[in-house]
Amino acid sequence: QQPVQSPQAVILREGEDAVINCSSSKALYSVHWYRQKHGEAPVFLMILLKGGEQKGHEKISASFNEKKQQSSLYLTASQLSYSGTYFCGTDMYSGGGADGLTFGKGTHLIIQP
Amino acid sequence: DSGVTQTPKHLITATGQRVTLRCSPRSGDLSVYWYQQSLDQGLQFLIQYYNGEERAKGNILERFSAQQFPDLHSELNLSSLELGDSALYFCASSERDTGLEKLFFGSGTQLSVL
Repeated sequence: QQPVQSPQAVILREGEDAVINCSSSKALYSVHWYRQKHGEAPVFLMILLKGGEQKGHEKISASFNEKKQQSSLYLTASQLSYSGTYFCGTDMYSGGGADGLTFGKGTHLIIQP
Repeated sequence: DSGVTQTPKHLITATGQRVTLRCSPRSGDLSVYWYQQSLDQGLQFLIQYYNGEERAKGNILERFSAQQFPDLHSELNLSSLELGDSALYFCASSERDTGLEKLFFGSGTQLSVL
């Protein structure tokens, strides 16, 4: 089941903050975040495990609320280099092995100078 | 450079045809994933292999099949192609299969079905 991301798109000025949300209707084992720049392949940002863990990557951090089956990606003091499409991926571990990493439709982030 | 190699980069073919997309994972990675990316659907998970065996299956059509060979490279076969199969196909690899793996994506194969 594909996770749902919101918003679909965000336009910011450099230095502003953004939050991207990801939710699932199924119980989650982990949440993965990737960023894809135009014309390039997706690149790994971070993985969060169930347990409400919050992780950070430069000025990008994320949280995972397993009870609500939601994750949020926080981009603070955004830079031009943050522009791209952000995907969250959810993995419903089924004991015998990962149940496939399923991504949401993505959130397009445009940072303007 | 992610270390994942996909060939060819571009493929143009006609409806009804069959094509094969190839992926060489990073050295040491045992797991290979295939994704289809179109504008309106984002990254659609197709299938995952781990050390030669199928591990997980997503929204892969019956016209599509894949395999991972003993040298760990993988091929995605698409047959009876339709216009709607036009998309960017990504292969990704990871070291193991734990659900906590960092995926490394190749640069993709752009398939155009005319």
